Amino acid sequence: DTAVSQTPKYLVTQMGNDKSIKCEQNLGHDTMYWYKQDSKKFLKIMFSYNNKELIINETVPNRFSPKSPDKAHLNLHINSLELGDSAVYFCASSPRDSGGYNEQFFGPGTRLTVL
Amino acid sequence: GIQVEQSPPDLILQEGANSTLRCNFSDSVNNLQWFHQNPWGQLINLFYIPSGTKQNGRLSATTVATERYSLLYISSSQTTDSGVYFCAVQYNFNKFYFGSGTKLNVKP
Repeated sequence: DTAVSQTPKYLVTQMGNDKSIKCEQNLGHDTMYWYKQDSKKFLKIMFSYNNKELIINETVPNRFSPKSPDKAHLNLHINSLELGDSAVYFCASSPRDSGGYNEQFFGPGTRLTVL
Repeated sequence: GIQVEQSPPDLILQEGANSTLRCNFSDSVNNLQWFHQNPWGQLINLFYIPSGTKQNGRLSATTVATERYSLLYISSSQTTDSGVYFCAVQYNFNKFYFGSGTKLNVKP
């Protein structure tokens, strides 16, 4: 009964490759997010989708492209991977109440290592 | 943007001790959450607390939104409390910012 799941858990790849990370939530939430956690543990939001519509797109290289086929899934595709992309990527989801306040729930993370 | 500052950055406790972690933010926020990132990297929700006080077992949290800070209290600490504690704020409805965290090490 995993709430927010991500695959794969670990991803090791060469520079220049293209890779995808998948995220699924079974909480019935409308909003999903991608965060990046760097080697110093700093967490920064990358994207947010609400009902398959992009609502947040922080300053992220356009090599990163999120795709939301439905409101339960938000995938992250990364083109031309670079060494600096090595990090832990977290997916999260939240309900969206009438006040716009969102309690976020996080997936287990995907550790990406670019060699 | 908004600045979110956590203190202390590092904390070492003997098992059984109490502690207070602080989160200051530089502007009004819509929402605030506390998370625990355990040594396996999992982010665990502790509190969703835009204002007021909440308690959950040995943990409690207080947010004073008008003074732009939140406190997380850990009482009778256990080794399983070790990890990094983050506060995260929702700002301007669609902006989310994390603090840099407090790394807690509870020694047996």
